Amino acid sequence: GDSVTQMEGPVTLSEEAFLTINCTYTATGYPSLFWYVQYPGEGLQLLLKATKADDKGSNKGFEATYRKETTSFHLEKGSVQVSDSAVYFCALRTNSGNTPLVFGKGTRLSVIA
Amino acid sequence: EPEVTQTPSHQVTQMGQEVILRCVPISNHLYFYWYRQILGQKVEFLVSFYNNEISEKSEIFDDQFSVERPDGSNFTLKIRSTKLEDSAMYFCASSEDLFGNTIYFGEGSWLTVV
Repeated sequence: GDSVTQMEGPVTLSEEAFLTINCTYTATGYPSLFWYVQYPGEGLQLLLKATKADDKGSNKGFEATYRKETTSFHLEKGSVQVSDSAVYFCALRTNSGNTPLVFGKGTRLSVIA
Repeated sequence: EPEVTQTPSHQVTQMGQEVILRCVPISNHLYFYWYRQILGQKVEFLVSFYNNEISEKSEIFDDQFSVERPDGSNFTLKIRSTKLEDSAMYFCASSEDLFGNTIYFGEGSWLTVV
């Protein structure tokens, strides 16, 4: 079945450091890919998405590029802030029928000043 | 910005009791979902709902669970006889249509079964 694999956390970075959170997927067909973020005490918020190969999703300084050849959708940010501390979830949704999102396990990011 | 709203934000219930979690999806959305997240684990799909019927459900969504859209705005998840292992954050979500479109999540209802 479809699955998403994320790098294990937690990840701890200093403010202004470069962030990469790896995400790879296995899916039948051509899924849409998403990054969701969960800030402490809050629900899931969509951070960015890409619906086809080579698309780049971006939001709030975060970027991820849909790489079909490596089945990856790594999340990057050039300079993290303390306010970016959260749990980040990679997810996919196959484009056939009313299919649910399949989530990775989540990566906890802590940014220290 | 439109949002999915959920009530209650937190509920504590005794094992064996019935629980109803309520959700108001975004008004023009047609597809509704429930997911859950047991503490420290991944977010898991429970059920999807379209046109007043279940369109897909996971193995987790057994006979103890049911969903309903009792009126034009609410979408509810009922757990008939709660077990300790039902303790989790339950997320309601909705989307406008099927493919590639964003699924919007509520802030979650934290259920604790004691």
